Amino acid sequence: SYVLTQPPSVSVAPGQTARITCGGNNIGSKSVHWNQQKPGQAPVLVVYDDSDRPSGIPERFSGSNSGNTATLTISRVEAGDEADYYCQVWDSSSDHPYVFGTGTKVTVL
Amino acid sequence: EVQLVESGGGLVQPGGSLRLSCAASGFTFSSYWMSWVRQAPGKGLEWVANIKQDGSEKYYVDSVKGRFTISRDNAKNSLYLQMNSLRAEDTAVYYCARDWSRRVDSRYFDLWGRGTLVTVSS
Repeated sequence: SYVLTQPPSVSVAPGQTARITCGGNNIGSKSVHWNQQKPGQAPVLVVYDDSDRPSGIPERFSGSNSGNTATLTISRVEAGDEADYYCQVWDSSSDHPYVFGTGTKVTVL
Repeated sequence: EVQLVESGGGLVQPGGSLRLSCAASGFTFSSYWMSWVRQAPGKGLEWVANIKQDGSEKYYVDSVKGRFTISRDNAKNSLYLQMNSLRAEDTAVYYCARDWSRRVDSRYFDLWGRGTLVTVSS
């Protein structure tokens, strides 16, 4: 089955930029979605179809996808952005079509 | 308010059964595919099952095939997950999620519930 790999953790100072990567074989040919999960809370979709944002998600959240790596970028990081972030793709050729990344803990210093 | 609210979790012995429910409100439930996604303690997210708008198609992750059954009642705006022959490895928070797609080659979860905890232990 398709595998998505994320760094376990990313640390960033307030006001700086956080970049979270999601690696997968030719992931650039797939649509990538990103979910934010704060401690004890349900996940929230922050980016879908590589780079689109749902209504209500700040413009500080952006996404890109090319080659073997997709990236979620959080600009002007705030304390409230501290959370786990999971990438996700849909692999229609697989018996396990919904694939999540391993997750990245973003810590705001 | 657009929301999903799960219920039905609890402590159950190995081999036992449990039925989870998810109440949807604020949107046209019958227009959406729906999924269950779980998260074991301290672990990542895992898709479990999904169901088409009219219930005519259902899909499961291999590890629950033959043990779990997803269903829905559009008249009650509700989604269900019947879990039988439960194992310790089924211990997780179970989330109800709205399953959406804008493109034929892409699906994602655009609305999540707060989850309900299922603990399988003797």
